[in-house]
Amino acid sequence: GENVEQHPSTLSVQEGDSAVIKCTYSDSASNYFPWYKQELGKRPQLIIDIRSNVGEKKDQRIAVTLNKTAKHFSLHITETQPEDSAVYFCAASISGGGADGLTFGKGTHLIIQP
Amino acid sequence: DARVTQTPRDKVTEMGQEVTMRCQPILGHNTVFWYRQTMMQGLELLAYFRNRAPLDDSGMPKDRFSAEMPDATLATLKIQPSEPRDSAVYFCASGLDVTDTQYFGPGTRLTVL
Repeated sequence: GENVEQHPSTLSVQEGDSAVIKCTYSDSASNYFPWYKQELGKRPQLIIDIRSNVGEKKDQRIAVTLNKTAKHFSLHITETQPEDSAVYFCAASISGGGADGLTFGKGTHLIIQP
Repeated sequence: DARVTQTPRDKVTEMGQEVTMRCQPILGHNTVFWYRQTMMQGLELLAYFRNRAPLDDSGMPKDRFSAEMPDATLATLKIQPSEPRDSAVYFCASGLDVTDTQYFGPGTRLTVL
């Protein structure tokens, strides 16, 4: 089955700086790669996703890049703000989130220092 | 703003008791997922259904866990008998198979003493 590795487990950055979180996956059949943000005690919420036929996707301050050959994808957050502090999870699936169960990475605790 | 709902939000029980968790997916969604979240293992897929039929329950301990969808508006996850190692947050999520997004419920925090 699919295995998703995520690094780092904790990331501390100064407010206004950029943050990068990286994930690798094992199953070359995976085609859909979402990123979820989870605040303490809350539900995971989708912040951005990418399909394997696209190399990069941006939404305001967040972007995701995918290298299908190397089987890795990354989340980039620019101009970080205090409200970006949370745990971020990457995930992978074959058919897409609405059809298929997600395999998650272990999470990255992002801390934004004022 | 349609949301997945789960009950109960918190459950404390004693080892050996039966626990039932309920989920109401977003109206119109045809796929329902159950995940378990612990500090050690992170978010793990337990089982999922499409159009109320079970598609995959390979992540679920079969001897004590069971998942069902009695109708399109209700999914249940049952643990019998419960054990302390079952303590976790259990999330339900729903989606539509022709789209990509999975929407998570607020979770049920289960503590087994």
